[in-house]
Amino acid sequence: QLQLQESGPGLVKPSETLSLTCTVSGGSISGSTYYWGWIRQPPGKGLEWIGSIHYSGNTYYKSSVKSRVVISVDPSKNQFSLNLSSVTAVDTALYYCAAIRGSYDDHFHIWGQGTMVTVSS
Amino acid sequence: DIQMTQSPSTLSASVGDRVTITCRASQSIGNWLAWYQQKPGKAPNLLIYETSNLESGVPSRFSGSGSGTEFTLTISSLQPDDFATYYCQQYSSDSTFGQGTKVEVK
Repeated sequence: QLQLQESGPGLVKPSETLSLTCTVSGGSISGSTYYWGWIRQPPGKGLEWIGSIHYSGNTYYKSSVKSRVVISVDPSKNQFSLNLSSVTAVDTALYYCAAIRGSYDDHFHIWGQGTMVTVSS
Repeated sequence: DIQMTQSPSTLSASVGDRVTITCRASQSIGNWLAWYQQKPGKAPNLLIYETSNLESGVPSRFSGSGSGTEFTLTISSLQPDDFATYYCQQYSSDSTFGQGTKVEVK
């Protein structure tokens, strides 16, 4: 059974870079047909797709964050990562990683439990 | 970006009720629509994909229908475990979610 787990700092200062890692267990990140994605949810609000990656390294980003985001994959560690630069308070959110069944923008099949990131000085 | 609008935002219902949630897209998305259930403090859980395909393990009281720009999620007989927030997601072009519908106890 595929499982995902987010990890990273819970507090990031404004203008700095938010860095999170998603560790995949129960299956190989490079041996599956999944894409891998990041979604966030500001407190009390809805869900926002940030971007997706294939184990081959192909990436796809939401246009509104494209200039600030980098998603990378490390098949040797069975992990993929999110880097979001120049953060502000609006980037405060619960960040989820997920396995995407199909293409980069398909439905999110399996989710991590989420990790809360607060942007504050 | 394709905008997704759910209605209602909040729905008050009782156990046993038939519940319908609507999701409208700002342009045609074919059948590329999924539904998720989210409970407080938990990650969303996939219920339905490609408009009407029930995810494995999801009770058959959940069903989805629609095409183009208008879609519905129906719970045929609401159970205590179903009180939650529901989100639609389009994946015709990138991915966007509706704002959510909270199903609460009447």
